[in-house]
Amino acid sequence: AQSVTQPDIHITVSEGASLELRCNYSYGATPYLFWYVQSPGQGLQLLLKYFSGDTLVQGIKGFEAEFKRSQSSFNLRKPSVHWSDAAEYFCAVGAGTGFQKLVFGTGTRLLVSP
Amino acid sequence: EPEVTQTPSHQVTQMGQEVILRCVPISNHLYFYWYRQILGQKVEFLVSFYNNEISEKSEIFDDQFSVERPDGSNFTLKIRSTKLEDSAMYFCASSPRNEQFFGPGTRLTVL
Repeated sequence: AQSVTQPDIHITVSEGASLELRCNYSYGATPYLFWYVQSPGQGLQLLLKYFSGDTLVQGIKGFEAEFKRSQSSFNLRKPSVHWSDAAEYFCAVGAGTGFQKLVFGTGTRLLVSP
Repeated sequence: EPEVTQTPSHQVTQMGQEVILRCVPISNHLYFYWYRQILGQKVEFLVSFYNNEISEKSEIFDDQFSVERPDGSNFTLKIRSTKLEDSAMYFCASSPRNEQFFGPGTRLTVL
């Protein structure tokens, strides 16, 4: 069965510092991979997606992610974090028949310190 | 920019009561979904809907749940007899094909 692992429950980063959030997936075929962000009390906003092609994908708000098939990973990065980036981040894999339910990881809560 | 909308934003109900959660997907999208997120837990898939029928459902989506697209614009999730464990945030999503757009959610509280 498809699964997504986000090993870090919480991460604290200083404002201006770089960020990397880890995501590992398990899926038999070529995965569709996504990162979503959820601010408190809000819905899920798509940050970026990978379907095929260039393994480094750019998203909104200055985020990028790199697909590494050999490591089954899709880590999210940002070179300089802003206080407004504090939120919960979810990695997800598209799985199932047709198109396709999303299987989410448990999320990583990002805290930004001054 | 078009977006998915959901009503109500918060629903409080008594155990055993029926609730209907409503969603208006983005107008040209073809695939529709419901997910739920119990407080502090991850987002879980409930059901997907395409061409006026359920295309996939999870183990959570038992006989107490049903979905409907009654008028070509709304997409509803009905829970027939709510249980305490149904308390969660319910998200609707729609997709033109490969990318899902989520609504803001309905927080359901079952007392």
